[in-house]
Amino acid sequence: GESVGLHLPTLSVQEGDNSIINCAYSNSASDYFIWYKQESGKGPQFIIDIRSNMDKRQGQRVTVLLNKTVKHLSLQIAATQPGDSAVYFCAERASYGKLTFGQGTILTVHP
Amino acid sequence: DGGITQSPKYLFRKEGQNVTLSCEQNLNHDAMYWYRQDPGQGLRLIYYSQIVNDFQKGDIAEGYSVSREKKESFPLTVTSAQKNPTAFYLCASSRRRARDPGPEAFFGQGTRLTVV
Repeated sequence: GESVGLHLPTLSVQEGDNSIINCAYSNSASDYFIWYKQESGKGPQFIIDIRSNMDKRQGQRVTVLLNKTVKHLSLQIAATQPGDSAVYFCAERASYGKLTFGQGTILTVHP
Repeated sequence: DGGITQSPKYLFRKEGQNVTLSCEQNLNHDAMYWYRQDPGQGLRLIYYSQIVNDFQKGDIAEGYSVSREKKESFPLTVTSAQKNPTAFYLCASSRRRARDPGPEAFFGQGTRLTVV
């Protein structure tokens, strides 16, 4: 999962494996969460979002799980491909609108 | 093609100088945002603008200034008052007028500013 500090958590997987990236959020009042993918030297891209009244949402090859009891969010990527290599980070939105971004996890997919 | 463009990609600044980062969008979005990204930290909001001729401070506005004279453009000036300006700067735009850009936001490719 994510942690405070200068060094990002890393996850290395083999092509074809499933990947699980974790995020611990801080505000129990947050009502909306987003996962982003950021490739090196580029801006973030939206992957998937989930509202706090849901505990699971599926997209194409991605699933987001939300556990409000322990304030934990995860992103599951099925059949990971080399093109999935990037930094993944979550963002939480407080009910009053402020979006807080996590520091990210580096995913490396080996062919 | 519609999109959001930041320039330059790399920028070097001497200490004591002001520099301006460009952000242009042709998506007809009302809202635009500037974020700062540092190693090991999440994006932090510097300034945002929900409509032309209006802008609001974000969480780390000190040492920065912006203008929003045109809908398409939201330049960011990093002033000499910013004590630690070396960072990766990201601009975003969104249809929705809100403090956060939401899932439909488009991000630029970023400008890496280095103080030399």
